[in-house]
Amino acid sequence: EIVLTQSPGTLSLSPGERATLSCRASQTVGNDYLAWYQQKPGQAPRLLIYDASTRATGIPDRFSGSGSGTDFTLSISRLEPEDFAVYYCHQYAYSPLAFGGGTKVEIK
Amino acid sequence: QITLKESGPTLVKPTQTLTLTCSFSGFSLSDNFMGVAWIRQPPGKALEWLALIYWNDDNKYSPSLKGRLTITKDTSRNQVVLTMTDVDPMDTATYYCAHTTGWLHRTWGQGTLVTVSS
Repeated sequence: EIVLTQSPGTLSLSPGERATLSCRASQTVGNDYLAWYQQKPGQAPRLLIYDASTRATGIPDRFSGSGSGTDFTLSISRLEPEDFAVYYCHQYAYSPLAFGGGTKVEIK
Repeated sequence: QITLKESGPTLVKPTQTLTLTCSFSGFSLSDNFMGVAWIRQPPGKALEWLALIYWNDDNKYSPSLKGRLTITKDTSRNQVVLTMTDVDPMDTATYYCAHTTGWLHRTWGQGTLVTVSS
């Protein structure tokens, strides 16, 4: 069973700054089947990135994913006001599927 | 356009059985590689993956809950049902269903909050 650890737990940044979020897996994620979701208060998660680096339909290019194996990163190049939210990584390579504990990106 | 909507009781007593229904449109569970998953989120906490059912009736369960969960589909009604037995206050959460291709959860429903309390 793969365990995903996200860091930091909270990221305090200002609009316009760059955000870098980390997700580390306890085992290699096969085929880099790693996704990132954004969740705002009271809303369902929204798929941002899949296959570690492919943006989902309609996702702005300021969001990018990178990494392979056990270490993955979500970057937001210039934070917009609507980007302040909680972000989850998710491995879908092996059953049981798993989510990380989340990183909250808050306004500094 | 793919949409999903969860429905079920908002309040359940401990030890009872919880039954949740996911009604969806925009895809069919008779099409190859289509699936529907259930994920939950306790208040203020992280997401927890629960179960998944595919077009071919294959299913997967979270090991930590496997003995308590059953996932079924009604292809003609475009519905997936999750049953959880012997609920506990720790099962209080928002329950989401999600359209899944391969094992990737692409589109989620709005979620339904279930409280377990006597």
